[in-house]
Amino acid sequence: DADVTQTPRNRITKTGKRIMLECSQTKGHDRMYWYRQDPGLGLRLIYYSFDVKDINKGEISDGYSVSRQAQAKFSLSLESAIPNQTALYFCATSEGFSYEQYFGPGTRLTVT
Amino acid sequence: KQEVTQIPAALSVPEGENLVLNCSFTDSAIYNLQWFRQDPGKGLTSLLLIQSSQREQTSGRLNASLDKSSGRSTLYIAASQPGDSATYLCAVAPGGGADGLTFGKGTHLIIQP
Repeated sequence: DADVTQTPRNRITKTGKRIMLECSQTKGHDRMYWYRQDPGLGLRLIYYSFDVKDINKGEISDGYSVSRQAQAKFSLSLESAIPNQTALYFCATSEGFSYEQYFGPGTRLTVT
Repeated sequence: KQEVTQIPAALSVPEGENLVLNCSFTDSAIYNLQWFRQDPGKGLTSLLLIQSSQREQTSGRLNASLDKSSGRSTLYIAASQPGDSATYLCAVAPGGGADGLTFGKGTHLIIQP
């Protein structure tokens, strides 16, 4: 089984809908991250969490919110989806600061 | 703001060649640099991690170097194979207490059989 899993793997939604992307990990890592990848722009950091009590904004947090339900679970929400949030979303984990990051398989989100 | 640039954006070479992928970053205050591989429709696979105090790391046919003072890293692939075809991403971890990686846009590599 994969160490970092993301659900759903693909999602099509309409403008204005609320949507949640979920990430689970079995690596026992404290740090978890959400990134988005856009063609021509590379990956950019949305939010990150050091533990269940600590949430931090990344470079592009506007329009997103997150929830760290447990050490192993980190969810990303789009409260009111818009078309320019169409992207590939990745979750990642790390054992600690300056440690290697491990990525999930990604969620392809399309907002129409 | 940290910026990471990867050159070339795309590269196509015959099987068996040795090749070098380049990565540069604007702020030398980094904690580490990580090279990833991304296959179409899939996630990122970590290849090598170089801490800021290190000069290079090796794994099999891959060798990554880091020159922190000049803001450069290279990924050397020896004896390339068609299975090496993928997009290679370079990412740096910032200093100063922040977290998360800053990525380059990648080099799309094709190894011709």
